Amino acid sequence: DVKVTQSSRYLVKRTGEKVFLECVQDMDHENMFWYRQDPGLGLRLIYFSYDVKMKEKGDIPEGYSVSREKKERFSLILESASTNQTSMYLCASSSGQSYGYTFGSGTRLTVV
Amino acid sequence: AQSVTQPDIHITVSEGASLELRCNYSYGATPYLFWYVQSPGQGLQLLLKYFSGDTLVQGIKGFEAEFKRSQSSFNLRKPSVHWSDAAEYFCAVGLYNNNDMRFGAGTRLTVKP
Repeated sequence: DVKVTQSSRYLVKRTGEKVFLECVQDMDHENMFWYRQDPGLGLRLIYFSYDVKMKEKGDIPEGYSVSREKKERFSLILESASTNQTSMYLCASSSGQSYGYTFGSGTRLTVV
Repeated sequence: AQSVTQPDIHITVSEGASLELRCNYSYGATPYLFWYVQSPGQGLQLLLKYFSGDTLVQGIKGFEAEFKRSQSSFNLRKPSVHWSDAAEYFCAVGLYNNNDMRFGAGTRLTVKP
């Protein structure tokens, strides 16, 4: 069974901390994505990557960066966490638009 | 502007009743269309997808959806809802040769006993 694994289900961090959210997929997918999910706003794209070391900004990249050093791993970095980054973060991967995305279980991040 | 609209934020149906969740999109061309389901505390799971051919598509868990080009709609249906269908449902659209998928705001489904 194909899988996207997010390393943490719940995280609590302090304002100003550097936060790493990790995502690993075992499907050899080229494309990987980071979304944040907030009530009433649906999913908003933060960054995506279509190849190793490649990245593209999504709709809300401010305050975030990403890293993709290996095909299977896509990391989301909050350089200096702020309370307005408290959210559910979802990682997804895909081998192409027509196939849809496979999502991880999400990381619920609370910044205090 | 390109958009995906799910007009219903929350729907409540009785177990055994039929269900229809609405989705409208605004894009220049016919996009790829998807429905996802999210159980509480979980990621999203693909229910079904459409990108060409028969406009009525079947998915997992007994769901189906119908693409209507004239109405720019892709509504999700199920003839008889089960208590385990209580979840949040997201409509999504993607464009050919574009790695970006757009999601609606979601519809939360409550199932009454």
